Amino acid sequence: ELKVEQNPLFLSMQEGKNYTIYCNYSTTSDRLYWYRQDPGKSLESLFVLLSNGAVKQEGRLMASLDTKARLSTLHITAAVHDLSATYFCAVDMRRDTGNQFYFGTGTSLTVIP
Amino acid sequence: DTGVSQDPRHKITKRGQNVTFRCDPISEHNRLYWYRQTLGQGPEFLTYFQNEAQLEKSRLLSDRFSAERPKGSFSTLEIQRTEQGDSAMYLCASSFGGGRISYYGYTFGSGTRLTVV
Repeated sequence: ELKVEQNPLFLSMQEGKNYTIYCNYSTTSDRLYWYRQDPGKSLESLFVLLSNGAVKQEGRLMASLDTKARLSTLHITAAVHDLSATYFCAVDMRRDTGNQFYFGTGTSLTVIP
Repeated sequence: DTGVSQDPRHKITKRGQNVTFRCDPISEHNRLYWYRQTLGQGPEFLTYFQNEAQLEKSRLLSDRFSAERPKGSFSTLEIQRTEQGDSAMYLCASSFGGGRISYYGYTFGSGTRLTVV
């Protein structure tokens, strides 16, 4: 069964600092997604990474995908308080009956002023 | 069309009661998924429909759970004889896919938070 692991699970960082969240998965997949979730809310799509070497950037967040290493990273640049949330990566697995997402454990990010 | 809608947003029920949740996907989406998320965890797959056909069910979906998508549009998830362990956020997502590929990823609804007391 596919396993998706994120680290760290909890991250507390000061405003203005940089940090990277890692997402490792155990089986070949060509598609990886990053989602943000605020407390008590649903999941907001951040990035869709569709191929090896893909890099996407939006504001202070940048995501990359290395399918050979089965690794995706979410890099935070000059963090601000508004980025405080839980971030999930999800691997899109093709199956005979269709696609299915496997979510990582999540990284709870707190940005401290 | 404003996205995936779920109803109700919150449900508190007594142990042993039955509950039913509804999901209205994005109208152009042919695929609909149900996930369950407990506190501090990532969403876990429950079941998946392509049009009206239920193509896959997780082992998490015990006999007390049933899902339908009668006309390939909205879906319902029913839990019978609820237990405290059923307390969770139930998320619905939809996507468009042809064959084995989903081209546009998932759009999630706001979820239904179930509390069993």
